[in-house]
Amino acid sequence: NAGVTQTPKFRILKIGQSMTLQCTQDMNHNYMYWYRQDPGMGLKLIYYSVGAGITDKGEVPNGYNVSRSTTEDFPLRLELAAPSQTSVYFCASSYSRWVTAFFGQGTRLTVV
Amino acid sequence: QQQVKQSPQSLIVQKGGISIINCAYENTAFDYFPWYQQFPGKGPALLIAIRPDVSEKKEGRFTISFNKSAKQFSLHIMDSQPGDSATYFCAAFLRGGGSEKLVFGKGTKLTVNP
Repeated sequence: NAGVTQTPKFRILKIGQSMTLQCTQDMNHNYMYWYRQDPGMGLKLIYYSVGAGITDKGEVPNGYNVSRSTTEDFPLRLELAAPSQTSVYFCASSYSRWVTAFFGQGTRLTVV
Repeated sequence: QQQVKQSPQSLIVQKGGISIINCAYENTAFDYFPWYQQFPGKGPALLIAIRPDVSEKKEGRFTISFNKSAKQFSLHIMDSQPGDSATYFCAAFLRGGGSEKLVFGKGTKLTVNP
């Protein structure tokens, strides 16, 4: 049972480049999330999904896009990377809307 | 107000002591309160959670105390161990308003000295 798997673990992007952060879960959870974590700031919700085909914005969605074509996968797309998107990104999934139960290992992204 | 205020920012405790981390909120629309533990380089892990109709919940050495009237909740780690050294985040689930979400505190870095 792999849980929530994110790739890549590390990435350096140049300003203006684009990339997709991959996330997959094998627990058949309906709820999936993308968070970003900045030093000393806790976690901020970027986007979330309550099931395949359904996504919604979180607190900080600008500069990001998501899709949810299957229950298992929830990729995060960064368009036109900016230095402000330098952060650690966590994908997560849950069996419940009230709590984010399982997090991935994170992707450390640096935009230079 | 959609904030959860967490204190202290850092905490140093001796092995065997009690670690106490506090969180406060203002919005009564928060209605579920989980705590997370995060080790360096890892994702957060759900530790324990409490509903607002319960005043205390205990799991092993970890206890959440909840004071609904004061809008405060806290995590107590009894018999703290060096392996408990991590960053702890409180959170609160904001319901309704078309955008339900988990709001996190800024974290407390706990160091347990041997």
